[in-house]
Amino acid sequence: GAVVSQHPSWVICKSGTSVKIECRSLDFQATTMFWYRQFPKQSLMLMATSNEGSKATYEQGVEKDKFLINHASLTLSTLTVTSAHPEDSSFYICSARAPRKEGGEQYFGPGTRLTVT
Amino acid sequence: RKEVEQDPGPFNVPEGATVAFNCTYSNSASQSFFWYRQDCRKEPKLLMSVYSSGNEDGRFTAQLNRASQYISLLIRDSKLSDSATYLCVVLDSWGKLQFGAGTQVVVTP
Repeated sequence: GAVVSQHPSWVICKSGTSVKIECRSLDFQATTMFWYRQFPKQSLMLMATSNEGSKATYEQGVEKDKFLINHASLTLSTLTVTSAHPEDSSFYICSARAPRKEGGEQYFGPGTRLTVT
Repeated sequence: RKEVEQDPGPFNVPEGATVAFNCTYSNSASQSFFWYRQDCRKEPKLLMSVYSSGNEDGRFTAQLNRASQYISLLIRDSKLSDSATYLCVVLDSWGKLQFGAGTQVVVTP
């Protein structure tokens, strides 16, 4: 199946710093990518929908100024956690939707584990 | 109320046995339904889609009951490698995937 990569796979940062996570679709062009967050033993929660060339659509309760999303190309979306705090420590997973003509399925990246100290 | 609810388990299953579990969803306008598998500290991976008539993929059988708004997954002849968390996922009317918190299955030798 299609491959979606994420980088880094894990990161530890100090409180107050910013962290950028990259999500790439490796063998298809994704006009839409999604960013999720998962806390231990909880479901994946959609944070935002990222559309190439336009502003991301954030879910209710997700601060757009804190979680900056940029979808600069059809194969790359980035999530920047600004001024990170320990409560932002979580598993961040992106997914990319394949074009409808290729099935329209959503493929998930391997996730990024963020720990804020 | 959560969009998708699941029994968190764990379901402890002897190797070779059958295990079944359900999930319920709240939005009757939901479009499509899936079961994903998630291993510890990994991303979810699509196990199978769930069709209205029910469908089978090897040892896995999925059922959908739209009237009662629940989806089931049955695993026959459980293998040790089936140990994982199984996520019930619903595509809502906005085209977004809604995830359950998962049902943990532990297959024991």
